[in-house]
Amino acid sequence: EPEVTQTPSHQVTQMGQEVILRCVPISNHLYFYWYRQILGQKVEFLVSFYNNEISEKSEIFDDQFSVERPDGSNFTLKIRSTKLEDSAMYFCASSGGRGSSYEQYFGPGTRLTVT
Amino acid sequence: GQNIDQPTEMTATEGAIVQINCTYQTSGFNGLFWYQQHAGEAPTFLSYNVLDGLEEKGRFSSFLSRSKGYSYLLLKELQMKDSASYLCAVHDYKLSFGAGTTVTVRA
Repeated sequence: EPEVTQTPSHQVTQMGQEVILRCVPISNHLYFYWYRQILGQKVEFLVSFYNNEISEKSEIFDDQFSVERPDGSNFTLKIRSTKLEDSAMYFCASSGGRGSSYEQYFGPGTRLTVT
Repeated sequence: GQNIDQPTEMTATEGAIVQINCTYQTSGFNGLFWYQQHAGEAPTFLSYNVLDGLEEKGRFSSFLSRSKGYSYLLLKELQMKDSASYLCAVHDYKLSFGAGTTVTVRA
């Protein structure tokens, strides 16, 4: 069964450093998403991406965040200058379409720890 | 804005049935999804409802009433492996999640 993959599984970085989280969505999917989950809290939407453009972003997704599809397979989330409160599990997801009949498949996540 | 409420914790016995309720008040609505999440893992899809009524998938069923802003997930014939967090999520082209209900299954 096709799956979303993410690397690395765990990233430790110092406050103020830049990090790039990588995702490989399911190959025939067109819509890509990033969500995050701070430990003990709910899963929160960050951004959706389609046709090389951001479709929608949340209030969390400020100027410190950016997304890119650098080639035909990867989808990345960059945090320019990490803060302690960016420590969370970051999930990438992809779907074949935008409507509710299209399930969003989640990757295993990258645990980001900012020290 | 999005307001999605579900109970924090539930405990049940192996073989029993548990019903997890979810109420929502959201600015947009395309469907109601249920995900299962084990600690430290990604959410995995269980069920979804777009129209009112009951959807059954094996041991899991989900119900939706759009007029009442209400859904429930029914887990039947509980097994130990069902111990997990169950997330209610409203689809509005993105997913907006509730805080999750931790279900503990006891022998």
